[in-house]
Amino acid sequence: EVQLVQSGAEVKKPGESLKISCKGSGYSFTSYWIAWVRQMPGKGLEWMGIIYPGDSDTRYSPSFQGQVTISADKSISTAYVQWSSLKASDTAMYYCARASAVVDYFDYWGQGTLVTVAS
Amino acid sequence: DIQMTQSPSSLSAAVGDRVTITCQASQDISNYLNWYQQKPGKAPNLLIYAASNLETGVPSRFSGSGSGTDFTFTISSLQPEDIATYYCQQYDNLMYTFGQGTKLEIK
Repeated sequence: EVQLVQSGAEVKKPGESLKISCKGSGYSFTSYWIAWVRQMPGKGLEWMGIIYPGDSDTRYSPSFQGQVTISADKSISTAYVQWSSLKASDTAMYYCARASAVVDYFDYWGQGTLVTVAS
Repeated sequence: DIQMTQSPSSLSAAVGDRVTITCQASQDISNYLNWYQQKPGKAPNLLIYAASNLETGVPSRFSGSGSGTDFTFTISSLQPEDIATYYCQQYDNLMYTFGQGTKLEIK
């Protein structure tokens, strides 16, 4: 069974750093792209970027380029998104999702990680 | 960037009604258009891929059509469990965009 299990909720202060994770199981982790999707409170879905764990090839949405870093550790089947200096506007639910074999849609999703940034 | 315009943003319909949501791309995306359902507090769930293909396990009352720039998502007979927000999503060369979402409510 394919599963993506994300790390738990985080409460941080503005200016702090953060790295959240997404662990894949039940499939060949290195053979499928993993995407990150933001959902701000009460708002829609925004694609942030995508990584191929096999070789760490990474693409970013122009809206998120330079704002976050996406990475993966294939030895532990885990993808990450990190912030070096959080802002209140980073408060959101973050989902990881596996791109299908043909890459154009997301067939499995993590349960989401809620990030709250408040002073 | 390819922009997606989804409408309506909200919709109220009765059980048994036929419901239609549209999504328009800012340029030709062939059939690289997918539809997701998101229930409150849950992750999105894929319903339709490649414009018209029903994901395994998804009820047949859901369907999709279209190609190029104009796409349609239909629920043939609305059920109470279909209350959710629906999103279209396009793909173009490892770049993805979601529509703004349609919140579906029961009348």
